[in-house]
Amino acid sequence: DTAVSQTPKYLVTQMGNDKSIKCEQNLGHDTMYWYKQDSKKFLKIMFSYNNKELIINETVPNRFSPKSPDKAHLNLHINSLELGDSAVYFCASSSETSGGADNNEQFFGPGTRLTVL
Amino acid sequence: LAKTTQPISMDSYEGQEVNITCSHNNIATNDYITWYQQFPSQGPRFIIQGYKTKVTNEVASLFIPADRKSSTLSLPRVSLSDTAVYYCLALSSNDYKLSFGAGTTVTVRA
Repeated sequence: DTAVSQTPKYLVTQMGNDKSIKCEQNLGHDTMYWYKQDSKKFLKIMFSYNNKELIINETVPNRFSPKSPDKAHLNLHINSLELGDSAVYFCASSSETSGGADNNEQFFGPGTRLTVL
Repeated sequence: LAKTTQPISMDSYEGQEVNITCSHNNIATNDYITWYQQFPSQGPRFIIQGYKTKVTNEVASLFIPADRKSSTLSLPRVSLSDTAVYYCLALSSNDYKLSFGAGTTVTVRA
């Protein structure tokens, strides 16, 4: 069984479109994250939810809107897609008591490669 | 997050030991050294974490000297499947916001 899954794996779309990426984890974790990895492999956090509540919201355009219907799911909706949104988006999760140091471990999904044409 | 510096790339051959050194001169007292591994087209995977001295698990060993200004990830007897990017992070207990730089691309050849 896949611990953290994302759909779709690949997403190719035109500028200006609206798209969503879904994430589900079956690890029983309380905290979930969205990360963006650019072409140079730099990975940066975008959002984090703990028990369905937003706890981290980095400087991300408001075209990006995360939604957590329950603590096992964290979806990412992107409005008015731009060329610069092309990247690989990773979902991750961690238990409430980890995610930082001393048993710091976040479990990542396989990623969604978004290409905006 | 404390800034870390690591080599851009390293080449090795199957069966050799690979040692990746990470510099973290400004590491804070409560920071842990944490390493992630990322295979092509996959998400990063946690491999090891340590505070000082030596930590060993089934994947790697982590050596941290007393001054903690650097650390070395050691991959024993690498195989082709160890080809990946390895990221070094210095994290405190409140650092939920992981941020990866370019990492070290390790290429293992037959």
